[in-house]
Amino acid sequence: GDSVTQMEGPVTLSEEAFLTINCTYTATGYPSLFWYVQYPGEGLQLLLKATKADDKGSNKGFEATYRKETTSFHLEKGSVQVSDSAVYFCALSEMIGGSQGNLIFGKGTKLSVKP
Amino acid sequence: DAGVIQSPRHEVTEMGQEVTLRCKPISGHDYLFWYRQTMMRGLELLIYFNNNVPIDDSGMPEDRFSAKMPNASFSTLKIQPSEPRDSAVYFCASSSRDFRSLPPYYEQYFGPGTRLTVT
Repeated sequence: GDSVTQMEGPVTLSEEAFLTINCTYTATGYPSLFWYVQYPGEGLQLLLKATKADDKGSNKGFEATYRKETTSFHLEKGSVQVSDSAVYFCALSEMIGGSQGNLIFGKGTKLSVKP
Repeated sequence: DAGVIQSPRHEVTEMGQEVTLRCKPISGHDYLFWYRQTMMRGLELLIYFNNNVPIDDSGMPEDRFSAKMPNASFSTLKIQPSEPRDSAVYFCASSSRDFRSLPPYYEQYFGPGTRLTVT
């Protein structure tokens, strides 16, 4: 079945450091790809998305490019801030017969940014 | 819109008691999901509904868990009887199709969660 694999955390960085969180997927069809973020004590919220190959999703300085050839959707940010400390989830969703399939989540990567 | 609303936000109960978690999805959304999150198991999909009909309940751990969606604006997740291993954060999420994007996709909007502690 479909699956998402993301790098295990926790990841600890200093403020203004470069961030990469790797995410690869397996899917039988042509999924949409997402990064969700969960701040402490809150639910998940969509950070960015890409729905087709070579699409780049971006939001709040974060970027990820849908790479079909490598089945990857790595999350990057050039300069992290303390406020970026959160858990980041990579996810995919496939349309099945015109209807939504489930969101398949990775296990999450906890990011801590130190001042 | 107020977003997905869950109640209660925190629930502490004793083993053997019945627990009912409630969710109000975003108006107009046709999918509703229940998830459970623990440190050990991460985020697990328990069940989801489309137009109030359960589509996949394969993630429901056992018969002690049940979920209903009597109408488009309300869903419940019930645990009876509760056990300490049910302690977790339970999230409700809703979604609908976004036709502004090609291909169209579904974005799930999560509620703030219910933190359940069973002693």
